[in-house]
Amino acid sequence: LAKTTQPISMDSYEGQEVNITCSHNNIATNDYITWYQQFPSQGPRFIIQGYKTKVTNEVASLFIPADRKSSTLSLPRVSLSDTAVYYCLVGDRNSGYSTLTFGKGTMLLVSP
Amino acid sequence: GAVVSQHPSRVICKSGTSVKIECRSLDFQATTMFWYRQFPKQSLMLMATSNEGSKATYEQGVEKDKFLINHASLTLSTLTVTSAHPEDSSFYICSAIGTSGGEQFFGPGTRLTVL
Repeated sequence: LAKTTQPISMDSYEGQEVNITCSHNNIATNDYITWYQQFPSQGPRFIIQGYKTKVTNEVASLFIPADRKSSTLSLPRVSLSDTAVYYCLVGDRNSGYSTLTFGKGTMLLVSP
Repeated sequence: GAVVSQHPSRVICKSGTSVKIECRSLDFQATTMFWYRQFPKQSLMLMATSNEGSKATYEQGVEKDKFLINHASLTLSTLTVTSAHPEDSSFYICSAIGTSGGEQFFGPGTRLTVL
């Protein structure tokens, strides 16, 4: 199982760009990288998914270097409501992500 | 996006009783559903994986006779915590994957408190 390592916590201020990096040194060829956001007492919410290079959607960007051993979630201009735990996961999309393992996640605190 | 619901959202029960939690995929058919447990300030821990019409696969250390999982249809999976004890108090979250694969969609979670 591909293990991920993220910073335990990060602090930011409203309006700043936040970059959260995740290490996944033993990522497999078929693994995709997926990021989820979780608020207290709620289920995780899908943010973004990618395989290589760069992926962008309306809420975030995901940067993946050529060796795929790490990835960076970029949140532009964060607001107070972005305070949450962010999880990086790697898993084989073709097998239904049955190999997904949640790490400890990164607790992002956005202050005024 | 795909929506997964859970019922109830929170439940309080007495020690020794059984509690059933439902997980439904509202707008898609889910061939595979997952059940997670999350203790305060900890990450999600996978308990079991269930495929429609077959027995669930439990993770190491999860008692299959205590946590009964039934995935009777493509839109419904249930988790029954039998003879619940205070240490079973936790946040239980289900997720589902559609028939075409892709990412997991998570339910809102169920807060179980055993007195």
